Amino acid sequence: QKEVEQDPGPLSVPEGAIVSLNCTYSNSAFQYFMWYRQYSRKGPELLMYTYSSGNKEDGRFTAQVDKSSKYISLFIRDSQPSDSATYLCAMSASNFGNEKLTFGTGTRLTIIP
Amino acid sequence: KAGVTQTPRYLIKTRGQQVTLSCSPISGHRSVSWYQQTPGQGLQFLFEYFSETQRNKGNFPGRFSGRQFSNSRSEMNVSTLELGDSALYLCASSLWTGGDSPLHFGNGTRLTVT
Repeated sequence: QKEVEQDPGPLSVPEGAIVSLNCTYSNSAFQYFMWYRQYSRKGPELLMYTYSSGNKEDGRFTAQVDKSSKYISLFIRDSQPSDSATYLCAMSASNFGNEKLTFGTGTRLTIIP
Repeated sequence: KAGVTQTPRYLIKTRGQQVTLSCSPISGHRSVSWYQQTPGQGLQFLFEYFSETQRNKGNFPGRFSGRQFSNSRSEMNVSTLELGDSALYLCASSLWTGGDSPLHFGNGTRLTVT
């Protein structure tokens, strides 16, 4: 079983819809959680960064972390065709150094105009 | 502020050859990490450097090596290339090492081994 599980999709939704992307994890030591967006032929771009449990909002994007359930989510409101990309969740355990990011496999999202 | 710069963007090599990839981090960032991305395995951690020292290493064979220079720029070397080394190699930089310093990625070097 992988440490981080993410539904690979593909996920297609109409423009303007609310998108929900999710990851589950097994390592209870994870405390830093990130969402990256990756366009074709580009590197991952950091979208959201959260520490421990709770919600964080940035424009149309909301990240939620539920450490008790080992479950994180990314919500995209008023989705746009430009949101079409692969979304990767990532997490790490420690702020004491020597801790790598563990990534989900990514969810491919298409927003249909 | 300029982002993470990786060169070259594309490389085609033959089995048995070696290759060196280069990464210039965001100005002021002192930690550089390298990841391999393939369709089957996703993003896999190779190694991390901070202040010219390797701080962490993933589960890759010794053919994969790297180094960091005093200006934080980093290089990654793969010797005796195998077909399975074909992948997108991503460099990421952060202010310091640790989970509380998020990574910022470059656009990668696409390596094809024939």
